[in-house]
Amino acid sequence: GAGVSQSPRYKVTKRGQDVALRCDPISGHVSLYWYRQALGQGPEFLTYFNYEAQQDKSGLPNDRFSAERPEGSISTLTIQRTEQRDSAMYRCASSLGRGSPLHFGNGTRLTVT
Amino acid sequence: DQQVKQNSPSLSVQEGRISILNCDYTNSMFDYFLWYKKYPAEGPTFLISISSIKDKNEDGRFTVFLNKSAKHLSLHIVPSQPGDSAVYFCAARADNYGQNFVFGPGTRLSVLP
Repeated sequence: GAGVSQSPRYKVTKRGQDVALRCDPISGHVSLYWYRQALGQGPEFLTYFNYEAQQDKSGLPNDRFSAERPEGSISTLTIQRTEQRDSAMYRCASSLGRGSPLHFGNGTRLTVT
Repeated sequence: DQQVKQNSPSLSVQEGRISILNCDYTNSMFDYFLWYKKYPAEGPTFLISISSIKDKNEDGRFTVFLNKSAKHLSLHIVPSQPGDSAVYFCAARADNYGQNFVFGPGTRLSVLP
């Protein structure tokens, strides 16, 4: 079956622009996570959803970052007024729920110039 | 303050020998641990997990050991193969803290033919 799909694979944007990153989880997976990964580091938690409910957004760096999953499937991570420090690999993962491992997509590489 | 530490950034092992990757954690509430493998340009792939009620879990060539008193876990790969060359991430979750997984910074394993 299909894995976690993220789009776009690469995004280059100018400072100050808004970006929207999309994640299509594995079908039937209840939980959806967003992580950010800097070069040479492990994934850093941003937020997660169970179905359409955002359960924890404590990892979002500031209020320029938001995420939604309106129908409990596809999710969008939006970054408003991007800054150069937002440049990173953004990874989405999904799981069957509590007690199940995360399955990651290939990520979106965001570069803010 | 890193809650999950992988103190060896890299490790080289001869093909056929044992690879031992180590992970230490500071949060005594962590109760579920996972190992991920990551190839370049791909997302992390789930490898093996262990619950805090166990001290060992085995899957083929991969065995994870958990020492709760020392807050330490390790991944053993026997025998190591060149295809095992990748970055390995340790991750942990505290059940009563929700479903947020905390990742270590990773260890790059090189298996030499």
